[in-house]
Amino acid sequence: QKEVEQDPGPLSVPEGAIVSLNCTYSNSAFQYFMWYRQYSRKGPELLMYTYSSGNKEDGRFTAQVDKSSKYISLFIRDSQPSDSATYLCAMVYNQGGKLIFGQGTELSVKP
Amino acid sequence: ETGVTQSPTHLIKTRGQQVTLRCSSQSGHNTVSWYQQALGQGPQFIFQYYREEENGRGNFPPRFSGLQFPNYSSELNVNALELDDSALYLCASSFGIKETQYFGPGTRLLVL
Repeated sequence: QKEVEQDPGPLSVPEGAIVSLNCTYSNSAFQYFMWYRQYSRKGPELLMYTYSSGNKEDGRFTAQVDKSSKYISLFIRDSQPSDSATYLCAMVYNQGGKLIFGQGTELSVKP
Repeated sequence: ETGVTQSPTHLIKTRGQQVTLRCSSQSGHNTVSWYQQALGQGPQFIFQYYREEENGRGNFPPRFSGLQFPNYSSELNVNALELDDSALYLCASSFGIKETQYFGPGTRLLVL
């Protein structure tokens, strides 16, 4: 079993839709949670960074962490065609060092 | 402020050859981590360097080796290339081991 599970999609939505992206994890030692966006043939770009259970909002993006369920989510409101990319969840243990990534979910927002 | 840069952008090698990939960290960052991303997969941690010392290694064989220089730039060396080494190699820098990692654009390696 992988430490971090993420549905690879692909996920296709119409412009303006609310998008929900999710990851589950098995190790309760993960303390920090991130969402990266990766455009085709580019490096990952950090979108959100959280370390506690609850919600964190940044513009159209909301990151949600539920440590009791070992479940994290990223919500995108009013999705735009420019949001079309692969979204990677990532986690790190408290002592830092390596990021453990999910497989990535490929999102396509159609005009 | 300059972000993380990597060179070359693309590379084609044949099986058994050796390759060196380079990474310049973001200004002020002293930690560099390397990841391998196979097609359709998330990045896999190779190793991390902090102030020129290796600080953690993932599940990669010894033919994957690295180096960090006094200016905190870094190299990833892969010997005896195998077909499965074909991937996007990503470098990420951070200001410390526990700090947020910022990724470069990657080097796409194809092994024939």
